[in-house]
Parts: sequence; structure tokens; C-alpha cells
Amino acid sequence: GAGVSQSPRYKVAKRGQDVALRCDPISGHVSLFWYQQALGQGPEFLTYFQNEAQLDKSGLPSDRFFAERPEGSVSTLKIQRTQQEDSAVYLCASSYGRLFTDTQYFGPGTRLTVL
Amino acid sequence: AQSVTQPDIHITVSEGASLELRCNYSYGATPYLFWYVQSPGQGLQLLLKYFSGDTLVQGIKGFEAEFKRSQSSFNLRKPSVHWSDAAEYFCAVGARAGGFKTIFGAGTRLFVKA
Repeated sequence: GAGVSQSPRYKVAKRGQDVALRCDPISGHVSLFWYQQALGQGPEFLTYFQNEAQLDKSGLPSDRFFAERPEGSVSTLKIQRTQQEDSAVYLCASSYGRLFTDTQYFGPGTRLTVL
Repeated sequence: AQSVTQPDIHITVSEGASLELRCNYSYGATPYLFWYVQSPGQGLQLLLKYFSGDTLVQGIKGFEAEFKRSQSSFNLRKPSVHWSDAAEYFCAVGARAGGFKTIFGAGTRLFVKA
């Protein structure tokens, strides 16, 4: 079946622009995670949704970052007034259940470059 | 606070040789432990995970890992490496006590030579 998809795969933004990154999780998956992966680093947790509820947003680096999942399926990560330090690959993952121990399935990521 | 250390930035092994990738974690109790692999152009894929019980965990693609509480380690092993194993490997730790945050190490890049 279809895995986690993300769009766009690549995004170039000028500093100060707003961007929106989309994640389509595996159908029926309750849990959805966003991560930020800087070049040469491991992924860093940003936020977690259980259905439409955002239960953990402790990893969002600033109030310029906002995520939503209004209908409990597709999720959007929005970054306002992008800065060069926002350049990274943004990964989305979904898992079937509510347990933290459920396997997370990752999408291919969106590579954001801020000029 | 939780943390994960992967001491080796990159490792080169010959095809057919054995492999061990090191991972050390810092956490106040027994954490959830994971190994992921990331190939170029591919998403992260879970290789194996440890939650409790037998400290030797078998995963996909012939990988295994051993949890050693006394050493705070969770090293990944494979007896015979294939060229297709060349990739970036990430060790990760998750908290048991609430929250949904998984902490990843910086990764170890594996090169396989013929």
C-alpha cells in the first residue's frame, strides 16, 4: 500500500517568506510526527498529533513554526518569516496506534532551502 | 535529559565482514531504544527496537542489537555486510514516562568496500 508522502519534495524560499509543507500519512494511522533534520545531523522532534489533537509541540523551535492536522489525516507544517537557520529536511512520520512503541513510518522528507 | 551518542561519524567495512555500530544513551531509567537506517533518497526505516525482555533483539535485514544496561549501550551488529547496507544509521531513544519525543543520535555513515 501507499506509504507516507510529503510535498513538495524540494522548496526554495527567500528569507522572510512563509512556507507550507504537507504530509499525507498512511491511511488510518492515528499518530503523526514532524521532525527537522539539519545537514549531517539526526532528526529532531518537532511535534506530535494524535488524530487532530496536537499533544506535544515541545520541539517547535519558535513561534514562527505552526503545525495543524484539522481532520485527523493530512498535516501541514507552516513556517512563517523563514530564516536561513530553518534550512533543513523536514520529515513526517505516522504510526497506526496511540502507543509510543508503535512503529513510525517515515516519509521521504521535504528539503527546505532558505536563501 | 535524554541523549544519544554515536561515537563514530563514519565507518568503512569490506563486503562480507562483520559490522558493529556503537550507540550510548543517557536516561534515568530503561528507555525505549531504536535503530533506524536512512538510504539516499529513502525515508528512515526502522531496523529494530527494544522495550523490555530479552536484551538481544533481532531486526530486519539480518541486523541485531544488544542492550547492555551496565554500559548504557545499544550496539548494532551484522555478521556479514552486503554492499546494499551502505547507508546512514541512527540510534534513537524514547522516553517511557510520558511524552512522544524520540531523541536521535547524529548518525553513523557506513561505507562498504568491495
